[in-house]
Amino acid sequence: SQQGEEDPQALSIQEGENATMNCSYKTSINNLQWYRQNSGRGLVHLILIRSNEREKHSGRLRVTLDTSKKSSSLLITASRAADTASYFCATEDQGGKLIFGQGTELSVKP
Amino acid sequence: DGGITQSPKYLFRKEGQNVTLSCEQNLNHDAMYWYRQDPGQGLRLIYYSQIVNDFQKGDIAEGYSVSREKKESFPLTVTSAQKNPTAFYLCASGSGSWYEQYFGPGTRLTVT
Repeated sequence: SQQGEEDPQALSIQEGENATMNCSYKTSINNLQWYRQNSGRGLVHLILIRSNEREKHSGRLRVTLDTSKKSSSLLITASRAADTASYFCATEDQGGKLIFGQGTELSVKP
Repeated sequence: DGGITQSPKYLFRKEGQNVTLSCEQNLNHDAMYWYRQDPGQGLRLIYYSQIVNDFQKGDIAEGYSVSREKKESFPLTVTSAQKNPTAFYLCASGSGSWYEQYFGPGTRLTVT
């Protein structure tokens, strides 16, 4: 069963705009992670936010976590064409395994 | 360079043949994982190993087998029993917890 589900499934924006992706999950978590995948490549870890954190920043990335709503968002500010990729959230299931959502496909047009 | 490698990048096999995908890491990680990704989908866990000579089934282990004889290596065999083997296979390693996994570049397997 899906633990994390991203929304929207696809997002197309112009370079310089901000991109926001959302992730919802079902059960309580210890942490939530965001990964990026360029087409045909492996995943790259972006950021991990713990359940007792509400917001975390890394460069142009801002992640928020609302455990009461079981949701997280990833904001990419001042997007670039090179940000074009799929973005996945990942959470732990009750057995401690990572469960990945289906991803948001981001297209940034120059 | 530290990292995780998978080979080959593309693999073609005839139906009914077993095929082994390679995964090697020099990150000194205890844990290694195999995932399968289908088009437009997230990752599904096939097998994982948290220590040498030990491994556990993930969510979709049927038709697959693994071994973990060395810390650095975690090969995946796709057997003829796997009904729909064509997919993108990703190997990952981690420090032993479920946090921050490091992924290889993937192997795209096509079975005809």
